[in-house]
Amino acid sequence: AQSVTQLDSQVPVFEEAPVELRCNYSSSVSVYLFWYVQYPNQGLQLLLKYLSGSTLVKGINGFEAEFNKSQTSFHLRKPSVHISDTAEYFCAAFPIPGAGSYQLTFGKGTKLSVIP
Amino acid sequence: NAGVTQTPKFQVLKTGQSMTLQCAQDMNHEYMSWYRQDPGMGLRLIHYSVGAGITDQGEVPNGYNVSRSTTEDFPLRLLSAAPSQTSVYFCASSLPGQGSYGYTFGSGTRLTVV
Repeated sequence: AQSVTQLDSQVPVFEEAPVELRCNYSSSVSVYLFWYVQYPNQGLQLLLKYLSGSTLVKGINGFEAEFNKSQTSFHLRKPSVHISDTAEYFCAAFPIPGAGSYQLTFGKGTKLSVIP
Repeated sequence: NAGVTQTPKFQVLKTGQSMTLQCAQDMNHEYMSWYRQDPGMGLRLIHYSVGAGITDQGEVPNGYNVSRSTTEDFPLRLLSAAPSQTSVYFCASSLPGQGSYGYTFGSGTRLTVV
């Protein structure tokens, strides 16, 4: 089984400032990693994913994340945030095919508040 | 292409009542899952299915039943609702072998048990 820890429950940041949302994972098998975004009163939308290959992955809305195997981390970054980025962000892990489990496991979420 | 459709969007139940939350997808996805979302708890897996006729329990299955008679539909049943089941419920789907490509989520059902 795997677990996902999001290190900050809330992150306030000023508009046009950079932001990093931190995610660590633990798993006995290799996993794929994801970041989802949830805007108020909506469902979840996939931001980006790491499957294999380059450890720096780019997603929608200018977000990117870096996979670090030695630190078991998958932090999300954006160089300049906008008011519209205010939302809750979830990190998630899914075992690679053949690893047994078919469960997508989520962290508890980080609420990003962008301050004008 | 509707994606993942959940009904109803809102529901109020009395303690002890039963109901079924509906989930349907039109993408021919074999993997389907039900999650509940509670403040500060993230999304917790209730039940999941890897194909028609195959279901399994997730992290928080107590009080819920599922069945998967078709690829398209994955209903979640509350047999005897309790206030602790007040939550937002999300259904999600993905392709086998392409579960790596991320799940598609429905818009959610907000359930209140009084």
